Amino acid sequence: KAGVTQTPRYLIKTRGQQVTLSCSPISGHRSVSWYQQTPGQGLQFLFEYFSETQRNKGNFPGRFSGRQFSNSRSEMNVSTLELGDSALYLCASSLVAGGGETQYFGPGTRLLVL
Amino acid sequence: AQTVTQSQPEMSVQEAETVTLSCTYDTSESDYYLFWYKQPPSRQMILVIRQEAYKQQNATENRFSVNFQKAAKSFSLKISDSQLGDAAMYFCAYRKGGATNKLIFGTGTLLAVQP
Repeated sequence: KAGVTQTPRYLIKTRGQQVTLSCSPISGHRSVSWYQQTPGQGLQFLFEYFSETQRNKGNFPGRFSGRQFSNSRSEMNVSTLELGDSALYLCASSLVAGGGETQYFGPGTRLLVL
Repeated sequence: AQTVTQSQPEMSVQEAETVTLSCTYDTSESDYYLFWYKQPPSRQMILVIRQEAYKQQNATENRFSVNFQKAAKSFSLKISDSQLGDAAMYFCAYRKGGATNKLIFGTGTLLAVQP
């Protein structure tokens, strides 16, 4: 079974631009979560989706948004990029949300904002 | 708010030896889960072991085991017979019970394995 895939793997943008990152969960998984990893702030939760509904959102500005499609694929969008948005963005999927479910992480998308 | 603290930024162990990584957490919830994740240089997060708070027995996975002290809110990871491939960043993480997958991570411990 294929793992979680994230595209693109690397991205370079300039300040003020917007970016869309994609996450394809493991087949059959309906829950997708996103995390931002930076050297300064560590791993921080962005949001989670289950069956196309946002279940939870982290403490990030409104420039960060996401959505989930009927096939469980998820995208996150960052508008008006700032230098501080440079980070590794990780996506994780599981069958359902919560309980004893194990989350499986993708390889991440490394975003560099210049 | 829940917090996770890893007080050891870096640790080193000799190959074949045993090492223990520390983690403490703070929560007022009674239903929660604790995890150790490994992040090698490839950046792929890999689940090492997990512990359900309601279980008194410490979880074990091959060479990896935990010491879960619920009253002390402590959750340490012991790696036995350390191997070169164990070298990585290790993150302790907390997830409250219920229908959520939100993980709260500690700051990580970078483990070096010396041959």
